[in-house]
Amino acid sequence: EAGVTQSPTHLIKTRGQQVTLRCSPISGHTSVYWYQQALGLGLQFLLWYDEGEERNRGNFPPRFSGRQFPNYSSELNVNALELEDSALYLCASSLGQGANQPQHFGDGTRLSIL
Amino acid sequence: AQSVTQLGSHVSVSEGALVLLRCNYSSSVPPYLFWYVQYPNQGLQLLLKYTTGATLVKGINGFEAEFKKSETSFHLTKPSAHMSDAAEYFCAVSDQGGKLIFGQGTELSVKP
Repeated sequence: EAGVTQSPTHLIKTRGQQVTLRCSPISGHTSVYWYQQALGLGLQFLLWYDEGEERNRGNFPPRFSGRQFPNYSSELNVNALELEDSALYLCASSLGQGANQPQHFGDGTRLSIL
Repeated sequence: AQSVTQLGSHVSVSEGALVLLRCNYSSSVPPYLFWYVQYPNQGLQLLLKYTTGATLVKGINGFEAEFKKSETSFHLTKPSAHMSDAAEYFCAVSDQGGKLIFGQGTELSVKP
């Protein structure tokens, strides 16, 4: 069974640019989550999608947005990139939306802002 | 609000020694608790989970954790450390809003 896949693996952007990160969940999983892992800040929850709807978002500005497609894959968009957006962005998926469902993670996209 | 505290940002053990990584949680509802491991340049891998039922939970790679409600703890143990166990370990609690709330992580070093 294929795990969660994310693309691209690495990205280098400059301040003010826009970026789109992609995530394919495990087959059969309907919920997709995005997290940011920035140096010194730990793992921070960004967004949760289930059945195509945004269910919850973390304490991030509106320039962080995303969507979930009918095949349950997801995109994370970040506009007006800032230096502080440099981080590893992790996508996870789960079978259903219960809090007891474990989240399974991809290997992430490492975003560097110059 | 729920929170997780991992005691010790760095733990060093000798190969073959006991591994003990500490995690305490705060939750106003019965918690769902998880341990994840992260190897360099990789994502998080689920080690084990506690949802309901048996309080001693066995996971992959010989790890286990015990849920102690009275101590609000969920410490991770392994009887005998292996060099391949060197990684960063995260304890997390799940909230009803879908998100995992992570501790700050503990980096485990294993000395030969």
